Amino acid sequence: AQRVTQPEKLLSVFKGAPVELKCNYSYSGSPELFWYVQYSRQRLQLLLRHISRESIKGFTADLNKGETSFHLKKPFAQEEDSAMYYCALSPSGGYNKLIFGAGTRLAVHP
Amino acid sequence: NAGVTQTPKFQVLKTGQSMTLQCAQDMNHEYMSWYRQDPGMGLRLIHYSVGAGITDQGEVPNGYNVSRSTTEDFPLRLLSAAPSQTSVYFCASSYSMYRGPNYEQYFGPGTRLTVT
Repeated sequence: AQRVTQPEKLLSVFKGAPVELKCNYSYSGSPELFWYVQYSRQRLQLLLRHISRESIKGFTADLNKGETSFHLKKPFAQEEDSAMYYCALSPSGGYNKLIFGAGTRLAVHP
Repeated sequence: NAGVTQTPKFQVLKTGQSMTLQCAQDMNHEYMSWYRQDPGMGLRLIHYSVGAGITDQGEVPNGYNVSRSTTEDFPLRLLSAAPSQTSVYFCASSYSMYRGPNYEQYFGPGTRLTVT
């Protein structure tokens, strides 16, 4: 079955601390992985995608096919990073569908 | 551009009532979709459309109908509301329906629906 698991509902850190939001997926084909973010009172928006190998707002994520993981990392958290983060998977061979994890709320304290 | 717009923002229905959630986009996107979000769960795909006149079911389609008569609009109809349909509904659109560089979904602000 196709599934995305985000094991942490809440991740609470202090400003300046490293952050790692975990994402594991279950999929037998060749997926594309994404991180979406929802800031308070804003709509859900794309943060980054694995095929771009980009760093957005200091966040990076590496696709590890052996461990079927796509963890989101940032070396030094900022208060403005506080938001809800969703990991999503797009299956291969099909139309533009996304399978979402349940989300992790990141709270960065001063 | 207004992007993806949804109306209403909030709605309370009684069991058995019907209603339509509106979704529109002004980006000339060919792909549109509806998701629902329940507490402790990720967004789940209800229905999607790959162009005007073409729709298909997602993961949780029961109790919902859709149609796509224009590129811009993709309404979601609840035929006979049930308490299990209490949720937050998101509409999304993207330029391309295939994976690739334009594979970004743009989301609306959501509609919070309560069925009593």
